[in-house]
Amino acid sequence: EAQVTQNPRYLITVTGKKLTVTCSQNMNHEYMSWYRQDPGLGLRQIYYSMNVEVTDKGDVPEGYKVSRKEKRNFPLILESPSPNQTSLYFCASSLTPPGQGAEKLFFGSGTQLSVL
Amino acid sequence: AQKVTQAQTEISVVEKEDVTLDCVYETRDTTYYLFWYKQPPSGELVFLIRRNSFDEQNEISGRYSWNFQKSTSSFNFTITASQVVDSAVYFCALSGTYNTDKLIFGTGTRLQVFP
Repeated sequence: EAQVTQNPRYLITVTGKKLTVTCSQNMNHEYMSWYRQDPGLGLRQIYYSMNVEVTDKGDVPEGYKVSRKEKRNFPLILESPSPNQTSLYFCASSLTPPGQGAEKLFFGSGTQLSVL
Repeated sequence: AQKVTQAQTEISVVEKEDVTLDCVYETRDTTYYLFWYKQPPSGELVFLIRRNSFDEQNEISGRYSWNFQKSTSSFNFTITASQVVDSAVYFCALSGTYNTDKLIFGTGTRLQVFP
């Protein structure tokens, strides 16, 4: 089954404790992206990747890191989480970037992160 | 600039009523794509439709229909004979050749359908 798998589904942590949210897709997609969802703000892009070893900042990259060493994986790293990073996070992938005609973005099931 | 506006924050209806969710967009692109996603209470994002800027035909899928009007920069979504299972947050989103790397989302409309 074609899917984007995110883990964990829920995560509670404390300020400053490094964490990684994993994302993996099985569709051989070149494009992957991370979004955060906050009430009243919709979804905003954090980082994206056009292909292996090619990553770039989105609209709200501060406090986050990503890597794309393999095509299927695109982990999101919070090296020193803070309470303002409490949010619902989504990983997404598509064969081509959204503005180049991708039929749709496939989204993971989300990670609800709480930073205390 | 590219922007998506969903002015309706929350809508409540009674089952079997028809409801329209509004979406207004701004873009400088001539080629662009519009999307609707549904987010049920379980939290995942469910793809509903994608429309490109050259296709202004209205789309109908069961109880769902979409009205795309370039003249008013709108891509509205109508649910006919709403059901409790339609209760969700609905997001409209935009992508285009100016910013190819992302979807630009509206702030969402929460629809509550009461029995």
